[in-house]
Amino acid sequence: ETGVTQTPRHLVMGMTNKKSLKCEQHLGHNAMYWYKQSAKKPLELMFVYNFKEQTENNSVPSRFSPECPNSSHLFLHLHTLQPEDSALYLCASSQGTHTGELFFGEGSRLTVL
Amino acid sequence: DQQVKQNSPSLSVQEGRISILNCDYTNSMFDYFLWYKKYPAEGPTFLISISSIKDKNEDGRFTVFLNKSAKHLSLHIVPSQPGDSAVYFCAASVMNYGGSQGNLIFGKGTKLSVKP
Repeated sequence: ETGVTQTPRHLVMGMTNKKSLKCEQHLGHNAMYWYKQSAKKPLELMFVYNFKEQTENNSVPSRFSPECPNSSHLFLHLHTLQPEDSALYLCASSQGTHTGELFFGEGSRLTVL
Repeated sequence: DQQVKQNSPSLSVQEGRISILNCDYTNSMFDYFLWYKKYPAEGPTFLISISSIKDKNEDGRFTVFLNKSAKHLSLHIVPSQPGDSAVYFCAASVMNYGGSQGNLIFGKGTKLSVKP
């Protein structure tokens, strides 16, 4: 596989469930990101990891918990979400955090019932 | 308040003609601008970028123009092709002050339809 891969592509969960989104990049990049795209809103940065260290948390509620075990893998753990958290969650990677170009995955479409 | 604005949610153009997508920004600290293209069921893909030290960058059929005084940039596609039909996102960041590239601020996007 090449590029940035996200699983699952679609996820439906109840407000009391615990689920995780997974992202894997095969590009040898050092930085990984989580973005959220809600309907009719711009892409919003959630988290940034550089060399496995979190360098940015854009005031994201604690019900979203990221994990970056290595530079190739990024997880977003979801717990007691709200219906308004339903959105497309996009993972991206880049070679460092000042390279000027992000490579995005196809996204995980999350629906919270 | 949005720092990056794409005021046209959609644009329809005839094949072979020029497509012009516009983007305005409010933060004068932005010094790097990018355009991304997104097809349905796919993630955004990088298209072209421009640094604030330039006013034009060209790559094949795609040209980005930057007008710093007006805080405005535009993407020109010429000639437009049906395969260009997608949502185009404008994004901006502050690169020269140690900001993280991940701090890209995106617009809402403009859906381009190129008709055969």
